[in-house]
Amino acid sequence: DQQVKQNSPSLSVQEGRISILNCDYTNSMFDYFLWYKKYPAEGPTFLISISSIKDKNEDGRFTVFLNKSAKHLSLHIVPSQPGDSAVYFCAASRSGYALNFGKGTSLLVTP
Amino acid sequence: ETGVTQSPTHLIKTRGQQVTLRCSSQSGHNTVSWYQQALGQGPQFIFQYYREEENGRGNFPPRFSGLQFPNYSSELNVNALELDDSALYLCASSLQGASGYTFGSGTRLTVV
Repeated sequence: DQQVKQNSPSLSVQEGRISILNCDYTNSMFDYFLWYKKYPAEGPTFLISISSIKDKNEDGRFTVFLNKSAKHLSLHIVPSQPGDSAVYFCAASRSGYALNFGKGTSLLVTP
Repeated sequence: ETGVTQSPTHLIKTRGQQVTLRCSSQSGHNTVSWYQQALGQGPQFIFQYYREEENGRGNFPPRFSGLQFPNYSSELNVNALELDDSALYLCASSLQGASGYTFGSGTRLTVV
């Protein structure tokens, strides 16, 4: 049973534009949400996180928005750069325990 | 500060065999988790160890077992390998109570 869903397998964006990656979850007990970035032949790299007590967290070009009522979060990358091309995983956990991952969204940023 | 290192990077085993994968945690981290990532899927939680004890397990059968050592390094053992066990196995370390997980690059296991 997939508790975290990323419904877009892939996304293509032009360099300089905004990339928006979406994620939905079903378990209302999740209280911590993370985004990981993964390049081929490497492990996932932590990007940004948000606690359920917040609705927005920003770190440089990356912003994560959380809508608890809709059980939805999104990652905004502005401006997008070619080096951002990777697979992005959304993950959710209860109190920092085991991470539940989505299937990932492959982002391609074209020059 | 070293990150999480896993060995070997690639491995080919025959169905029915047993395999041991190894992980060295990031310095200062006392919790280790293992994940299985099948092709086209997100990582799936296998289990977590804290202070050498398993303190959480995902939906994996008992033939998946683990160990954590006093230096916080860890092993994942899989017995009676099946073709569906072919996947990337990821180790992640963290400080208990914190939510920051650092992942290794993984071991690619192929079962033939």
